[in-house]
Amino acid sequence: EAQVTQNPRYLITVTGKKLTVTCSQNMNHEYMSWYRQDPGLGLRQIYYSMNVEVTDKGDVPEGYKVSRKEKRNFPLILESPSPNQTSLYFCASSPGQGLMPLHFGNGTRLTVT
Amino acid sequence: GQQLNQSPQSMFIQEGEDVSMNCTSSSIFNTWLWYKQDPGEGPVLLIALYKAGELTSNGRLTAQFGITRKDSFLNISASIPSDVGIYFCAGPGQGGSEKLVFGKGTKLTVNP
Repeated sequence: EAQVTQNPRYLITVTGKKLTVTCSQNMNHEYMSWYRQDPGLGLRQIYYSMNVEVTDKGDVPEGYKVSRKEKRNFPLILESPSPNQTSLYFCASSPGQGLMPLHFGNGTRLTVT
Repeated sequence: GQQLNQSPQSMFIQEGEDVSMNCTSSSIFNTWLWYKQDPGEGPVLLIALYKAGELTSNGRLTAQFGITRKDSFLNISASIPSDVGIYFCAGPGQGGSEKLVFGKGTKLTVNP
């Protein structure tokens, strides 16, 4: 089944403790992206990647890192999480150039205390 | 950055009613996308629009790409309880097609 898989689905952590949210897609998609969803703010893009070893900042990249060493994986790294990063995170992928429709994962709900 | 204004923020309707929501942008778009997010899940694409004036249907859903290229509309006819969710419009962000910007969503509640 074609899908985008995020792990974990839920995560509670403390301020300053590094964490990684994994994202994997099995559709051989070139484009991958991370979004955060907050009440009243909708979905905001954190980082995106056009292809392996190519990443770029979205609208809210501060406090996050990403890497794209392999086509299928696009982990989101929070080196020193803070409470304002408490949010619902979505990974998404699409086939390639242009505004191709995105396939989303089921989300990771992160709480930073 | 690019902004999308989506309205209404929320809607409470009775089963069987028709629904209309819209999205406006601060600049001209060449693509409009409409997504639906069911509770506890990621958004799923409903309809994609690529041409000004285009009217596209997907079952009971119909979306239109506004002729000014700065707006788009989504209509749902004869709503049913499973239409509940958050509907997002989306379009190209500043800097080109690799950045997608989303509206803040319209939360739909359908009373049986």
